[in-house]
Amino acid sequence: AQTIHQWPVAEIKAVGSPLSLGCTIKGKSSPNLYWYWQATGGTLQQLFYSITVGQVESVVQLNLSASRPKDDQFILSTEKLLLSHSGFYLCAWSLRRQNTLYFGAGTRLSVL
Amino acid sequence: QEKVQQSPESLIVPEGAMSSLNCTFSNSASQSIWWYQQHPGKGPEALISIFSNGNKKEGRLTVYLNRASLHVSLHIRDSQPSDSAVYLCAVSKTNTNKVVFGTGTRLQVLP
Repeated sequence: AQTIHQWPVAEIKAVGSPLSLGCTIKGKSSPNLYWYWQATGGTLQQLFYSITVGQVESVVQLNLSASRPKDDQFILSTEKLLLSHSGFYLCAWSLRRQNTLYFGAGTRLSVL
Repeated sequence: QEKVQQSPESLIVPEGAMSSLNCTFSNSASQSIWWYQQHPGKGPEALISIFSNGNKKEGRLTVYLNRASLHVSLHIRDSQPSDSAVYLCAVSKTNTNKVVFGTGTRLQVLP
């Protein structure tokens, strides 16, 4: 069975500090990977997607970056957090040529 | 950029009633439509998808797609308190990796 694990579960960070969020998928080879962001009470917004190791496409510019260092790992990061980065970050995977998304439990980020 | 709008914003129904949720999208080339369920503080879970004009039924769920009017609806028969959640409509074009989500409908089923 496939499992998707996101870490950390929650973060409280200061404006201007760096951030790194992670996501690991087990039990599925070469999945498509996605990062989504949801402001409190807001719409799910796609940030990045990756179809293979080392290749990441940006969908929305939010002063964030993403990397896929391994087939089963997706990292979201920034060197300098803004207040507007607060929200709920979700990692998801899908099979190739299918777009049903399978989401992780998410990371709640509060930037103060 | 695809735009996906959902209505109503909030829906309250008694247990056992039919819940009806609506979604309109802006791009007639959008070929794949899903409905997701999201409980507070959790990631969304896919419920049902539709790709062809017409309807599709799975258990208590029925989805109707009308491409001409850019409209899709989800109907939950015999609604249960456990169905209380936010329901999200999502659309994408086949063989793209961009999935656009709607604004969501908050469903509350009263016992």
